[in-house]
Amino acid sequence: SQQGEEDPQALSIQEGENATMNCSYKTSINNLQWYRQNSGRGLVHLILIRSNEREKHSGRLRVTLDTSKKSSSLLITASRAADTASYFCATDPYDTGRRALTFGSGTRLQVQP
Amino acid sequence: DTEVTQTPKHLVMGMTNKKSLKCEQHMGHRAMYWYKQKAKKPPELMFVYSYEKLSINESVPSRFSPECPNSSLLNLHLHALQPEDSALYLCASSGQGQETQYFGPGTRLLVL
Repeated sequence: SQQGEEDPQALSIQEGENATMNCSYKTSINNLQWYRQNSGRGLVHLILIRSNEREKHSGRLRVTLDTSKKSSSLLITASRAADTASYFCATDPYDTGRRALTFGSGTRLQVQP
Repeated sequence: DTEVTQTPKHLVMGMTNKKSLKCEQHMGHRAMYWYKQKAKKPPELMFVYSYEKLSINESVPSRFSPECPNSSLLNLHLHALQPEDSALYLCASSGQGQETQYFGPGTRLLVL
């Protein structure tokens, strides 16, 4: 079962604007990860934030994590047409012994040139 | 080499056929995964292999049969599939103590 919900489901912005995607989850986690998927292709890991971290940056990406609200957000600044893709959050559940990620429902981002 | 390869890229099969999907990685990762992804949906975990042993089977129908011949290879044997099994099948791997998963490009499967 998928424990993560993302919103919005779809987002269309102009090049140069910022894009914000949100993810909510239900159980305690070790970490939360964001992945990008171009249409019909494999997923690419973007960034990982651990449960004891609140914010992390990587290039134009900024991720926040609020474990009290069980939510995370991904901000892409100064977006480019090449950022057009689906973005998924994925949670690594805490202390289940399972080496398996649970993916959120995803946000489809369209960046208009 | 941070690449996971999958073959074939596309596969069309009838409901009575037997086919196999292949996945390979040379990153020394000891955990490998099969996911199924329908259009506009997130990946759904099917199987996890850890140190070449099946550690998770997410109640997948027996018409899907995974195999891990060695630490670099992962197969998914398909037999008597249904049209609803048409999907993108993704393979991934991760290293010991590493949470990040590396995904292959996927095999687009169409069952007629």
